[in-house]
Amino acid sequence: AQSVTQLDSQVPVFEEAPVELRCNYSSSVSVYLFWYVQYPNQGLQLLLKYLSGSTLVESINGFEAEFNKSQTSFHLRKPSVHISDTAEYFCAVSDFGSSASKIIFGSGTRLSIRP
Amino acid sequence: GAGVSQSPRYKVAKRGQDVALRCDPISGHVSLFWYQQALGQGPEFLTYFQNEAQLDKSGLPSDRFFAERPEGSVSTLKIQRTQQEDSAVYLCASSLDRSGGYNEQFFGPGTRLTVL
Repeated sequence: AQSVTQLDSQVPVFEEAPVELRCNYSSSVSVYLFWYVQYPNQGLQLLLKYLSGSTLVESINGFEAEFNKSQTSFHLRKPSVHISDTAEYFCAVSDFGSSASKIIFGSGTRLSIRP
Repeated sequence: GAGVSQSPRYKVAKRGQDVALRCDPISGHVSLFWYQQALGQGPEFLTYFQNEAQLDKSGLPSDRFFAERPEGSVSTLKIQRTQQEDSAVYLCASSLDRSGGYNEQFFGPGTRLTVL
């Protein structure tokens, strides 16, 4: 069975500071890896994904995540956060190679940005 | 084009009432998923349809939960005899289901169910 662990339920940071949201997963099969974001009063949006190839993936708003197979991790980072990054972030996995597969989500990390 | 839509956006039910939650997937999307997101938690898988066929219902928490997609498009999640523990946001997602690779799931805004 697959599972996802987000070690921090809340991460407060100051604006323009760097941030790292941690995510570890367990799976007996190869997986796709995702970070989803849920802004206040909005729906769930895909932020970035790892499918294959380069282990470093980036989003359009400056976030990046690195797939580390040996540590089974997929931590999310941003070198300088903005107030608009305030949201809940979910790490997730799904089965690799399955055309339609359920997504297993972590419990989420609430990122709050202080001015 | 239009995204996944869900209705109602908010539903308040008295304990014991039946409720029906609707999902309109993106046109042409073959796969449809339902997830339940309790307060302070990540979404949890409930059930999955490929066209009208319900291929996986392993996440439905009890036999009070029932989902259908009779014409392979709109789906309804029905909860009978609601209980307080059913209070959650119910998310619907759809995807194209092209064979041989990754298919992104697009999520609707959710229906927030509160059972009093």
